[in-house]
Amino acid sequence: SQKIEQNSEALNIQEGKTATLTCNYTNYSPAYLQWYRQDPGRGPVFLLLIRENEKEKRKERLKVTFDTTLKQSLFHITASQPADSATYLCALVGNQGGKLIFGQGTELSVKP
Amino acid sequence: DADVTQTPRNRITKTGKRIMLECSQTKGHDRMYWYRQDPGLGLRLIYYSFDVKDINKGEISDGYSVSRQAQAKFSLSLESAIPNQTALYFCATSDSMTSYNEQFFGPGTRLTVL
Repeated sequence: SQKIEQNSEALNIQEGKTATLTCNYTNYSPAYLQWYRQDPGRGPVFLLLIRENEKEKRKERLKVTFDTTLKQSLFHITASQPADSATYLCALVGNQGGKLIFGQGTELSVKP
Repeated sequence: DADVTQTPRNRITKTGKRIMLECSQTKGHDRMYWYRQDPGLGLRLIYYSFDVKDINKGEISDGYSVSRQAQAKFSLSLESAIPNQTALYFCATSDSMTSYNEQFFGPGTRLTVL
């Protein structure tokens, strides 16, 4: 069955460092992959997407990579700040579009 | 996101009661979704609708039903609530005119079934 896995353990890093979050998937060939941020008690907010034919995408301090051979996406936050503390979700979309399949999310905590 | 609203925001009910959660959007999107979120399990799709006349079951539709009353409104019903339906419920929308299906989420409804 299709499966998406993100780091289950919370990631704790020091302010100014780069945070790297991992999203692995199996039994799926996504057309593209999205990353969302979720703050406690709130709905997820879209951050970035990357298509299957793209290796890397950047937006300000965010960088996403997508390796369809390894079936993995990495999400990087450079020069992290305490305000980046949140749960980050990856989601896959198939070629038919429409439905997203979400990972369980990774909680990031950035300490001052 | 204020463009997608959900009511109620919190609800406590008893086993066997019928519950309706409502979602409205002002984004003009044609696609709407209902998800539930449980600790450690992420977001799971309950039902989705690609337009007013289109309703589809998601991953976990048993025990739930939906109604798409208008393009802007999509409600989720629990006909006879049970304790394992205690969860955080999110409504989301997307626009079929954008090929990437970026979804916009409401603030969520926290439902507790006693």
